[in-house]
Amino acid sequence: KNEVEQSPQNLTAQEGEFITINCSYSVGISALHWLQQHPGGGIVSLFMLSSGKKKHGRLIATINIQEKHSSLHITASHPRDSAVYICAVRSGGGSEKLVFGKGTKLTVNP
Amino acid sequence: EADIYQTPRYLVIGTGKKITLECSQTMGHDKMYWYQQDPGMELHLIHYSYGVNSTEKGDLSSESTVSRIRTEHFPLTLESARPSHTSQYLCASSEGIEETQYFGPGTRLLVL
Repeated sequence: KNEVEQSPQNLTAQEGEFITINCSYSVGISALHWLQQHPGGGIVSLFMLSSGKKKHGRLIATINIQEKHSSLHITASHPRDSAVYICAVRSGGGSEKLVFGKGTKLTVNP
Repeated sequence: EADIYQTPRYLVIGTGKKITLECSQTMGHDKMYWYQQDPGMELHLIHYSYGVNSTEKGDLSSESTVSRIRTEHFPLTLESARPSHTSQYLCASSEGIEETQYFGPGTRLLVL
């Protein structure tokens, strides 16, 4: 079992829908990252958070440390949001390594 | 936009050839990383560096080697490529261990 589990694996939505992608992890962490990977392969870091909630434009990321769970929300989804969204965690104790989930493939249809 | 570059973007090569994948960043970051990603699978750390002359192996066993002679440059070398090395290789850098990692565009390697 991977230390980082994402759900769903695949998600198809219509333009304008509210999207939620979930991430659960099994280890104590110092930070959690949400990343976006486009079909060409390039990866962009969206959020890094260790508590609470962060918002950037139409994207919102939340984390519940006690429940070892994080969610990424996309409001008013758009076809350009189509990508693979990856959750990654950094273990506590000053670890330099990130452990990645397998990603959630999001397709937003016009 | 992050200033981290990888070349080549795509490489098709025969078994037994020696290859070097290049990674350069102009942000002055001390920390650099190499990840391997198979299609539809998660990224795995194969090498990392905390600075010049510092390199460490990651979680995933890899037959590749790396060097860090200059801060901005972190090349990855396969002495003898095999079909099992076919994958995507992603380079990243960060200012500190707890900081955001910036990723290069990746190199897709196909070994025939």
